[in-house]
Amino acid sequence: KQEVTQIPAALSVPEGENLVLNCSFTDSAIYNLQWFRQDPGKGLTSLLLIQSSQREQTSGRLNASLDKSSGRSTLYIAASQPGDSATYLCAAGTYKYIFGTGTRLKVLA
Amino acid sequence: DADVTQTPRNRITKTGKRIMLECSQTKGHDRMYWYRQDPGLGLRLIYYSFDVKDINKGEISDGYSVSRQAQAKFSLSLESAIPNQTALYFCATSDYGGGALTDTQYFGPGTRLTVL
Repeated sequence: KQEVTQIPAALSVPEGENLVLNCSFTDSAIYNLQWFRQDPGKGLTSLLLIQSSQREQTSGRLNASLDKSSGRSTLYIAASQPGDSATYLCAAGTYKYIFGTGTRLKVLA
Repeated sequence: DADVTQTPRNRITKTGKRIMLECSQTKGHDRMYWYRQDPGLGLRLIYYSFDVKDINKGEISDGYSVSRQAQAKFSLSLESAIPNQTALYFCATSDYGGGALTDTQYFGPGTRLTVL
């Protein structure tokens, strides 16, 4: 059974810092790994999706990598801003996704 | 207008009542999903549907049922609500198929359900 873990559960950093969020999964037989952002009381917004044949995806200040052999993905946020404050979730899946419990990020101005 | 809409956005009900949560999408996607989110437990899959005639149970389907009325509509019902079904419920669609194989998931804004 797939299990997805995100560490740390919460993170507080000063504005401008580069940071890395971690996601690990137990079953490497996945098709995709997706990163989401969730603002308080809101739905999830897709940030990046990495297909199993890919190693990384980039969008603006965000870069996500995938290492299936080790069961890990990382989300790199460059030059963090207060507007990046949110909960970040990863989800690993084949035709359905298993979600981690998220990392709650606070970027201090 | 939002691509994935959910109604109602908030609902308070009593134990034993029947509740229906509705989801509509204008993205033209075949795949639709229902999740619930509980603090500390993340999102868990309740039901998913790959097309109108293909509906499948997720990891926590007990106490729930669904109806896929059309490609664009997927409803979740709680036949007899109980307090531990208090949660935030999300509908999602994905773009798998029709030449788009990324399976990116797109979420609605959520329905906050409280069962007293």
